Amino acid sequence: DAMVIQNPRYQVTQFGKPVTLSCSQTLNHNVMYWYQQKSSQAPKLLFHYYDKDFNNEADTPDNFQSRRPNTSFCFLDIRSPGLGDAAMYLCATSRDGLAIYNEQFFGPGTRLTVL
Amino acid sequence: AQSVSQHNHHVILSEAASLELGCNYSYGGTVNLFWYVQYPGQHLQLLLKYFSGDPLVKGIKGFEAEFIKSKFSFNLRKPSVQWSDTAEYFCAVMQGGFSGGYNKLIFGAGTRLAVHP
Repeated sequence: DAMVIQNPRYQVTQFGKPVTLSCSQTLNHNVMYWYQQKSSQAPKLLFHYYDKDFNNEADTPDNFQSRRPNTSFCFLDIRSPGLGDAAMYLCATSRDGLAIYNEQFFGPGTRLTVL
Repeated sequence: AQSVSQHNHHVILSEAASLELGCNYSYGGTVNLFWYVQYPGQHLQLLLKYFSGDPLVKGIKGFEAEFIKSKFSFNLRKPSVQWSDTAEYFCAVMQGGFSGGYNKLIFGAGTRLAVHP
């Protein structure tokens, strides 16, 4: 089945130690999104790629970076994780970010713990 | 900027009870509205969506939602819940008009529903 895959499902890192989360998709969608979801809060968009064009949300900390080497893969890099970065990180895709008929398909998420 | 409010953070029901989860959004113009569900240990998946037309939208698993423009609301309903409906439910609104023309989803904080047998 076509899907959005995130690895790993659980990631533990140390304070200040760089960490990379991975997302891949078999839907061949143009747009890939990264959301941060803290406990009991709404998913919050960090950034997205429309094809190779990167769009950063204004309030996304510089500590968060992203790479999209090809259509299928997108990575979230946290350069120096702090305790406040512990959260669930959700990857999503959509066929066309410009159209209003824009359903997003989500991966299962990676739960990040910072020690 | 648009915002989404979900009034109930936790709802507990018995099986066969009726469900209504509230959702209000802030934007007064044309809106596209969604309800997503997240079952325990699973990913967010779309329950239903509203773009235009009939304000009563039917989704999967017997869920429906009604768009009431005058109340800025998009409440989710189900006449008779089952234990398997235990999940977290997120309302979301599509916000557009960004540079480059892209749209983004603004989510509510979610409602945790627990259904007891």
